[in-house]
Amino acid sequence: GEKVEQHESTLSVREGDSAVINCTYTDTASSYFPWYKQEAGKSLHFVIDIRSNVDRKQSQRLIVLLDKKAKRFSLHITATQPEDSAIYFCAENYNQGKLIFGQGTKLSIKP
Amino acid sequence: GGIITQTPKFLIGQEGQKLTLKCQQNFNHDTMYWYRQDSGKGLRLIYYSITENDLQKGDLSEGYDASREKKSSFSLTVTSAQKNEMAVFLCASSGTGGAGAETLYFGSGTRLTVL
Repeated sequence: GEKVEQHESTLSVREGDSAVINCTYTDTASSYFPWYKQEAGKSLHFVIDIRSNVDRKQSQRLIVLLDKKAKRFSLHITATQPEDSAIYFCAENYNQGKLIFGQGTKLSIKP
Repeated sequence: GGIITQTPKFLIGQEGQKLTLKCQQNFNHDTMYWYRQDSGKGLRLIYYSITENDLQKGDLSEGYDASREKKSSFSLTVTSAQKNEMAVFLCASSGTGGAGAETLYFGSGTRLTVL
């Protein structure tokens, strides 16, 4: 069935550097790719998304890139700050709104 | 803004026991979801419902029942709890139609432990 693979289970970067989290998907019909963030002890919340009609979207320090040929999308966090430490989940939307999530990437920002 | 309330926050059960988790939302959203979160496995969809009295199975529905008697509430029943089962169950909701309709809003979760 459809799958989303999140390649990095953990990622550690220095404060101020950029972090990149990569995901691949299998369903060529997928058209919507959101990212969610889960801070320690809290639930998930939406951070940014991208639709298949564009290949780049930016919201402040967050950039999402989509490569439909490679069936790959990535989240870039620039100028990282301590509050960026969290687990990040990529997802794809298929079949009337159902979301398939990746396994999650635990991002640690080191001083 | 709205909120999703899950009860209880912590649930401890015995093997073979039937356990019910509850979820309420005041967003007036049509669609509600139950996900299971296991460490290192991401979120897996158990059941979802696109309107009152509707139920759709997700990839992990075996061993669970769900009920959507009102638009604002969605409950999940573990039909026979498995020993050593530990997971967090997350309820979510989303709107229908218009920009941002696909965005899921999550509750804070119910942490299940089975002894």
